[in-house]
Amino acid sequence: GQQLNQSPQSMFIQEGEDVSMNCTSSSIFNTWLWYKQDPGEGPVLLIALYKAGELTSNGRLTAQFGITRKDSFLNISASIPSDVGIYFCAGPYSGGSNYKLTFGKGTLLTVNP
Amino acid sequence: DAGVIQSPRHEVTEMGQEVTLRCKPISGHNSLFWYRQTMMRGLELLIYFNNNVPIDDSGMPEDRFSAKMPNASFSTLKIQPSEPRDSAVYFCASTRLGQGYTFGSGTRLTVV
Repeated sequence: GQQLNQSPQSMFIQEGEDVSMNCTSSSIFNTWLWYKQDPGEGPVLLIALYKAGELTSNGRLTAQFGITRKDSFLNISASIPSDVGIYFCAGPYSGGSNYKLTFGKGTLLTVNP
Repeated sequence: DAGVIQSPRHEVTEMGQEVTLRCKPISGHNSLFWYRQTMMRGLELLIYFNNNVPIDDSGMPEDRFSAKMPNASFSTLKIQPSEPRDSAVYFCASTRLGQGYTFGSGTRLTVV
């Protein structure tokens, strides 16, 4: 089946540091989505990317749709304690309909105040 | 907007018992998804509905699992009989026109 490889699996950083994580796919995507899951809650959409090369920001978060269409990156600047959670990348199953998403295994972010 | 509503939030049941998880999608969303989350396997798509019709149930692990969507505002995921390996967090999500999903808060199921 389709694979989404997300790295790193976990990160432990100090408040104020910048964070980078990425996701690669075994197939070409036409959409990349980044979600955050707080403890005890469902994932919440952070950023959606629809075009190769696209760079989109949402506050301190910036995400990019890779030129090859097989990867995406998420950066968080000046991290704060509430950034703690699991970050997931997601894309359409088999590169097709956006109705059916496949998710990476997630990056667990811990921020030390 | 109340979001996607799931119930119960937590369920503890004995092996062999029937378990029913419930979901109310966001009004106006025409697609509904059931996911299972475990540490080992992450988020796995179990089944999804489009306009109340099951489109793809290839992720349903066994015949013990079944899902229904009798109308646009309600869906159930049933496990009968339940087994300890079914313990996980089950999420329902809904969307409209292929936009990003909105997830519910999940049901944490423990089968002992």
